[in-house]
Amino acid sequence: GQQLNQSPQSMFIQEGEDVSMNCTSSSIFNTWLWYKQDPGEGPVLLIALYKAGELTSNGRLTAQFGITRKDSFLNISASIPSDVGIYFCAVNTNAGKSTFGDGTTLTVKP
Amino acid sequence: EAQVTQNPRYLITVTGKKLTVTCSQNMNHEYMSWYRQDPGLGLRQIYYSMNVEVTDKGDVPEGYKVSRKEKRNFPLILESPSPNQTSLYFCASTRDVNTYEQYFGPGTRLTVT
Repeated sequence: GQQLNQSPQSMFIQEGEDVSMNCTSSSIFNTWLWYKQDPGEGPVLLIALYKAGELTSNGRLTAQFGITRKDSFLNISASIPSDVGIYFCAVNTNAGKSTFGDGTTLTVKP
Repeated sequence: EAQVTQNPRYLITVTGKKLTVTCSQNMNHEYMSWYRQDPGLGLRQIYYSMNVEVTDKGDVPEGYKVSRKEKRNFPLILESPSPNQTSLYFCASTRDVNTYEQYFGPGTRLTVT
């Protein structure tokens, strides 16, 4: 299936710092999604991107759909302890298949 | 409350003993999907269903079966579980195949000894 390269694999940051993670692919996609998984729960959608070059914000989160349609970035500003979790990028094909990146595990030290 | 439910949440079983993990959604969604999550490997799609009686293989379908007899339910069946199927399983649903945002269940942690 499709492969998404998500980096970094993990991050350890101080509360208040900004965070940046990204996802790349060798294939072109029409939609990029970012999910967050809190410990012990299922993933929850954070941001959906539908247009190349699109920059979308959700509170302290900002995500961008790369202009080449092969990548996406997620930034978190002024991190807080509840930002802890695993962040996944994901793409879908029109045929219904869904592919997730391997995840970025974020740890925030108070 | 709109939700996806899975049962059981935790299961320990032995090799070869058939089991079923149920998944149900109350949002009248057409599309449902099963994933497994293993450390360092993210979420990998097992099977998906675009509507009743329509199912397709994801990236890791071997050793699993599914059925979609009704819109709300999408059970995952392991006919003969093996230890390499020890994993955390998630069911998800979305309105239809053209709506990409998925709603996930709480997960089922399966251990096969």
